[in-house]
Amino acid sequence: AQSVTQLGSHVSVSEGALVLLRCNYSSSVPPYLFWYVQYPNQGLQLLLKYTSAATLVKGINGFEAEFKKSETSFHLTKPSAHMSDAAEYFCAAYGNKLVFGAGTILRVKS
Amino acid sequence: GAVVSQHPSRVICKSGTSVKIECRSLDFQATTMFWYRQFPKQSLMLMATSNEGSKATYEQGVEKDKFLINHASLTLSTLTVTSAHPEDSSFYICSANPGLAYNEQFFGPGTRLTVL
Repeated sequence: AQSVTQLGSHVSVSEGALVLLRCNYSSSVPPYLFWYVQYPNQGLQLLLKYTSAATLVKGINGFEAEFKKSETSFHLTKPSAHMSDAAEYFCAAYGNKLVFGAGTILRVKS
Repeated sequence: GAVVSQHPSRVICKSGTSVKIECRSLDFQATTMFWYRQFPKQSLMLMATSNEGSKATYEQGVEKDKFLINHASLTLSTLTVTSAHPEDSSFYICSANPGLAYNEQFFGPGTRLTVL
C-alpha cells in the first residue's frame, strides 16, 4: 500500500530563514505528488504538484519542491520564511487514491 | 476558479440526531467528489469517493449506513451522518475533481461537527 511519511510533526524557523519540510513516499511506481497547506479550521490549499514533468516544481507563495526518485523524496522548501507561512503542511501522493502524510506544523518566529 | 464550498461550516447536534453536510463545486462540474475526515492533530483520511449518479465507494472501515453519501448532481454532494454519536465529532472536508489529470482535487473549507 502506498504511504507518505513526513519527518517532523513540528518545524520552527525564524522569519527570513530557510524552510525545509521533508516528505518521503513509498511506492514502486513514482506517484503524482502534492503539497497542500492548511490554516486553522480551513480546508486545504494546493501549493504545488509533481506530475512527472520537471523534477523541480515551483508553487505559490515562493515554495518549491524537488522530486528525487533515488531518494523517494519530495521535500518542500522556501528560501525565506514569512510570518504568514505559519500553518500546517501536508504532503500527499496519488496512486489510485490520494494518500496524505501526517502533516507538519510550521512555526515562524519573529 | 475551482472553488468548492461546504455548508454548514460548523454544526453542533445532540447524540442520536442526523446531520447533513453539503459540498458544492461553485464554478465547475465535478463527476467525482471525495469526503475526508480529519481528527484533531491528525491527517486527512479518505472516507468515500462519490460519483455523480451512482453509489459512493467507501473506504475500508467506513460504515456506509452511518455515513450516507448522495451525489445527485454534477455540482452537489451531500454527506449525512446518521444517528450521530460523540465519537463522530470531527472535521469533515470534501474535495472535487473537475476532470483534471493526476486526480487534482480542490478542497472545501471543511465542516466542524460536534456531537454532544
